[in-house]
Amino acid sequence: KQEVTQIPAALSVPEGENLVLNCSFTDSAIYNLQWFRQDPGKGLTSLLLIQSSQREQTSGRLNASLDKSSGRSTLYIAASQPGDSATYLCAVDYNTDKLIFGTGTRLQVFP
Amino acid sequence: EADIYQTPRYLVIGTGKKITLECSQTMGHDKMYWYQQDPGMELHLIHYSYGVNSTEKGDLSSESTVSRIRTEHFPLTLESARPSHTSQYLCASSEWPAYGYTFGSGTRLTVV
Repeated sequence: KQEVTQIPAALSVPEGENLVLNCSFTDSAIYNLQWFRQDPGKGLTSLLLIQSSQREQTSGRLNASLDKSSGRSTLYIAASQPGDSATYLCAVDYNTDKLIFGTGTRLQVFP
Repeated sequence: EADIYQTPRYLVIGTGKKITLECSQTMGHDKMYWYQQDPGMELHLIHYSYGVNSTEKGDLSSESTVSRIRTEHFPLTLESARPSHTSQYLCASSEWPAYGYTFGSGTRLTVV
């Protein structure tokens, strides 16, 4: 069964810290992996998309890496800010017409 | 600006009413999807479409129906709303998987 797990489930940190969010998937035959951000009661905002042939992607303070062989992806957030507070979801696409979503990491960054 | 739009943003409706949740995208994507998100944040695929005149059921059994008459439009209809339909509904689209998915802002439905 294709499952995606995220660790930690919740994280509360002071502003300025560098953060690492982890995503693990059981089936390494992925097509691509996408990181999303969701604010309370809102939709999903795409942060980064990593295709299966790529090792990492960067956007501003965000960097996502992919290690297919070990079934892991990491989202690195540099110099965290209170505005980064949200739930972060990783989603794996196996080219089967649906995304397999992770369990999410709820992040709170306090001033 | 290319985007995906959902209306209404919030809806409170009485039991037994018929409702339609609207979803439109301006990116010309062939594939579109409806996800239902429960309070525990888990997302369930309820419907998807490969293109015009194509509709498929997702993993989660749903009493809703969808239609795809135009590429840009993928509405979801509940013929008779019930309290168990209370949830957040998210619409998404993709050109093909390599480019990832784009999600709308969601419709939060409450049936009283």
